[in-house]
Amino acid sequence: EPEVTQTPSHQVTQMGQEVILRCVPISNHLYFYWYRQILGQKVEFLVSFYNNEISEKSEIFDDQFSVERPDGSNFTLKIRSTKLEDSAMYFCASSPGQISGNTIYFGEGSWLTVV
Amino acid sequence: LAKTTQPISMDSYEGQEVNITCSHNNIATNDYITWYQQFPSQGPRFIIQGYKTKVTNEVASLFIPADRKSSTLSLPRVSLSDTAVYYCLVGYQGGKLIFGQGTELSVKP
Repeated sequence: EPEVTQTPSHQVTQMGQEVILRCVPISNHLYFYWYRQILGQKVEFLVSFYNNEISEKSEIFDDQFSVERPDGSNFTLKIRSTKLEDSAMYFCASSPGQISGNTIYFGEGSWLTVV
Repeated sequence: LAKTTQPISMDSYEGQEVNITCSHNNIATNDYITWYQQFPSQGPRFIIQGYKTKVTNEVASLFIPADRKSSTLSLPRVSLSDTAVYYCLVGYQGGKLIFGQGTELSVKP
């Protein structure tokens, strides 16, 4: 079964450092997403990406965050100048389309710890 | 996006059938209903999706009444490994799924 893969599975970083989380979406999917889940809290939408552009973003996704599809397979989330409150599980996801009925598939997540 | 309401927690025993009901009174005409399962420290895993009536796959069944204002996820003969949080989601715009707290299912031996 095709799956979304994410690296690293766990990263510890110093406050103020930059972090890049990587994802390989399912190969024939066109829409890509990042979500995050702070420990003990709900899964939260961060951003959706299509055709090399951000199509929607949440209030959480401020100037500290950026996304990129640097090549035909990878999709990355960059967090500049990390803060303690950025510690969370970050999930990449992808879907073939973007209307209800198109299933969004999630990766296993990258656990980011900011110290 | 339609708001969903589901029980916060449920307990069951191995081998039993578990039914988790979700209400979504404001579901829109084009909205599909999707259920995900999440284990601790893992990503949400797609279980099943439907629009109306009944959908069945190798993992679960989804029952949707004619008015579509609720849906029931049915897990046949649960095992300890089915202990997880189950989320009911309805529709999405721009890939923006709105996750609630989900239903924490605890399966006991």
